[in-house]
Amino acid sequence: GAVVSQHPSRVICKSGTSVKIECRSLDFQATTMFWYRQFPKQSLMLMATSNEGSKATYEQGVEKDKFLINHASLTLSTLTVTSAHPEDSSFYICSAAGASGYSYNEQFFGPGTRLTVL
Amino acid sequence: AQRVTQPEKLLSVFKGAPVELKCNYSYSGSPELFWYVQYSRQRLQLLLRHISRESIKGFTADLNKGETSFHLKKPFAQEEDSAMYYCALSQTGANNLFFGTGTRLTVIP
Repeated sequence: GAVVSQHPSRVICKSGTSVKIECRSLDFQATTMFWYRQFPKQSLMLMATSNEGSKATYEQGVEKDKFLINHASLTLSTLTVTSAHPEDSSFYICSAAGASGYSYNEQFFGPGTRLTVL
Repeated sequence: AQRVTQPEKLLSVFKGAPVELKCNYSYSGSPELFWYVQYSRQRLQLLLRHISRESIKGFTADLNKGETSFHLKKPFAQEEDSAMYYCALSQTGANNLFFGTGTRLTVIP
């Protein structure tokens, strides 16, 4: 149990367009979802934390108008990269916490989405 | 502010040899520490957490508050242990995670 999916797995877009990435908890209701960014050969950087039905909490240095997060239900969170530019190219990973039978802070990770902005 | 440091980016050991992946942290509160592992072409997954005091796949990690360390150890490395290992910290009462930069472990046959 406690599976998290992401869609799409890869996306290539032109500079200036917006891209939406979905994160779903498939077999549990996630009280909290997290979005991370990972640069090549670097660590995961927490971008934001989102709770269902409330505004996301962004980490310092992350532009909330650039990276829009919506957490409309207990099983779905979306990250929209608005007006994407080449420097936004990265690997975006989501995770979810709150699975029944697990510790409240145990996070289950999605497979990631590779974004390439041309 | 919290910080997790993994001083080794790469670590190679021979099969059967002991392995230790280092992790140090800084945090003013009482943290919860984790080790996550990412095998080739797989997603990140929890290996162990300090409050569980478990041995998972032969790995153990002890939280040393005096040295602010949470090193991961295994007495006899196996080839299947080759992976990327991340140390992570969760703040008191929170469910967010802050990761170290990771250590790529290669076990040489």
